[in-house]
Amino acid sequence: SYVLTQPPSVSVAPGKTASITCGGNNIGIKSVHWHQQKPGQAPVLVIYYDSDRPSGIPERFSGSKSANTATLTISRVEAGDEADYYCQVWDGSSDAGVFGGGTKLTVL
Amino acid sequence: QVQLVESGGGVVQPGRSLRLSCAASGFTFSSYAIHWVRQAPGKGLEWVAVLSYDGSYKYYADSVRGRFTISRDNSKNTLYLQMNSLRAEDTAVYYCARVYSGYDSGSPIDHWGQGTLVSVSS
Repeated sequence: SYVLTQPPSVSVAPGKTASITCGGNNIGIKSVHWHQQKPGQAPVLVIYYDSDRPSGIPERFSGSKSANTATLTISRVEAGDEADYYCQVWDGSSDAGVFGGGTKLTVL
Repeated sequence: QVQLVESGGGVVQPGRSLRLSCAASGFTFSSYAIHWVRQAPGKGLEWVAVLSYDGSYKYYADSVRGRFTISRDNSKNTLYLQMNSLRAEDTAVYYCARVYSGYDSGSPIDHWGQGTLVSVSS
């Protein structure tokens, strides 16, 4: 089955830039989506189709992708961005949804 | 606005069954594929199953295939998850989640319910 690998944690100071990676074999040919989950809440989509941003999501959130790594970048990080972030793909070869293990973003 | 409301969770003994429901509103339910995703306490998100907009095809995670059944009633705007032979490792919050592009089960999840907790314990 397809595996997505994320770092367990990322720390960043307020106002700085945070980068959260998501690795997967040939992830470059898949569409990658990112979800934010704050404690006790349901997830929220923040980036879809690698780099598109849903309405209501600040422009500080952006996404990019290379051959084997997708990256969620949060610019000018705020305390309210502290959350768990999950990457997600659909694996067409096995007809299954796949989530990365999640990355806890800590704002120092 | 899009709303997904899960219900049916609770405490159940190992080996028993439970049926979850997901009531949808604010969009044309019959035009969208819907997923079930679960999250064990303190753990990450785990995809469980997806059902196409018309119920014609469904896919399951290996961990639940043969024990869980996803279904829908488009006349009632409701998605179901029948869970049989429950195990302790099925303990989790279960979310239903709508896809962005209704007819494409592989499109991103763009709306989530608030979840319902299932606890499997003797």
